[in-house]
Amino acid sequence: NAGVTQTPKFQVLKTGQSMTLQCAQDMNHEYMSWYRQDPGMGLRLIHYSVGAGITDQGEVPNGYNVSRSTTEDFPLRLLSAAPSQTSVYFCASSRSPRGFNSPLHFGNGTRLTVT
Amino acid sequence: KNEVEQSPQNLTAQEGEFITINCSYSVGISALHWLQQHPGGGIVSLFMLSSGKKKHGRLIATINIQEKHSSLHITASHPRDSAVYICAAPWWETSGSRLTFGEGTQLTVNP
Repeated sequence: NAGVTQTPKFQVLKTGQSMTLQCAQDMNHEYMSWYRQDPGMGLRLIHYSVGAGITDQGEVPNGYNVSRSTTEDFPLRLLSAAPSQTSVYFCASSRSPRGFNSPLHFGNGTRLTVT
Repeated sequence: KNEVEQSPQNLTAQEGEFITINCSYSVGISALHWLQQHPGGGIVSLFMLSSGKKKHGRLIATINIQEKHSSLHITASHPRDSAVYICAAPWWETSGSRLTFGEGTQLTVNP
């Protein structure tokens, strides 16, 4: 099993550009989520999904879109990148809803810089 | 304000020392998570516990539900234990529920 595969590892964007961060898992987990990690702050939930066709907003959803057309894939789209979106992004999946009662499995992260 | 508080923020130890990292949370929980973030950035789940104590190798996690407090202990610490340790607990609010994460404890173990 590959676990959670997240690409790319690094990305530099100019303000206003758009891009998609890819996330795929091969564990048949219903719950998938995107977090951002900023210095001095804990991981913050951007969007999550509890199954194919179902997505919902997390704590900091503005400027991001998600879709869940399959159980395996959960891409995160930045519509018009802003410097405030410079961060490290993590995708995570879990067997239980919201990751409350089962371990979270994380991708390796994407370091995004917006200039 | 973070609903999950960790202490200390930074910890430096000599190889072989016993390490304790603390986590306090403000609401009742179903399970609390301990995670390890490697220097390269990857995050792995160490423990998930809702009562008592769990042990894996030199790592021990304990939780006191009444006091809303959990500790992560590392016995006979080693430089390879150097990492950021993060605790996370469920949080409920009117807009929904989610895991909320502490800011992490940066542990450095010197040889």
